[in-house]
Amino acid sequence: DADVTQTPRNRITKTGKRIMLECSQTKGHDRMYWYRQDPGLGLRLIYYSFDVKDINKGEISDGYSVSRQAQAKFSLSLESAIPNQTALYFCATSDHRKEKLFFGSGTQLSVL
Amino acid sequence: AQTVTQSQPEMSVQEAETVTLSCTYDTSESDYYLFWYKQPPSRQMILVIRQEAYKQQNATENRFSVNFQKAAKSFSLKISDSQLGDAAMYFCAPSGNTPLVFGKGTRLSVIA
Repeated sequence: DADVTQTPRNRITKTGKRIMLECSQTKGHDRMYWYRQDPGLGLRLIYYSFDVKDINKGEISDGYSVSRQAQAKFSLSLESAIPNQTALYFCATSDHRKEKLFFGSGTQLSVL
Repeated sequence: AQTVTQSQPEMSVQEAETVTLSCTYDTSESDYYLFWYKQPPSRQMILVIRQEAYKQQNATENRFSVNFQKAAKSFSLKISDSQLGDAAMYFCAPSGNTPLVFGKGTRLSVIA
């Protein structure tokens, strides 16, 4: 089983719909992150959480919200999806800032 | 805040040859870490190599090595004896008190 699991792997939705992307981890890490990848732009940070009671905005948080339901779970919501939110979304975890990130397999989201 | 510049959007290398991918960054932190990640077509994010900024010695992992110039804020990746499986997107990412900031990436092609 994967250490960091993202669901769904692919999703197509329509403009204006609410959508939730889910992430769970078995690493026991406190730190969790949501990144968005667009061609030519690399990965950009949306939100991050250093423990269950901690939520921080990243570079591009507008239009997104998150929930840290437990140490192992960190979900990303798009309240009203728009086409320019079409992207590949990654969840990641880490144990410490000096350690590598463990990535999920990504969710390809298409907003029509 | 940290910023990252990867000035080579695309690179190519002959199989068995050596290639160097460039990365420059800016940070106000004194204690930070630097990472190179690889993303093959499978879209999985894979750690290639990590450098601790307080260490002067350049990190090495098998065919992968870095040239870390702290004063110049430069962190280039050298791939020796290139293999077809090295074809991927490569991302440079510094990490400090805030989460990893990724560059826009360099797409590496390996020519047989």
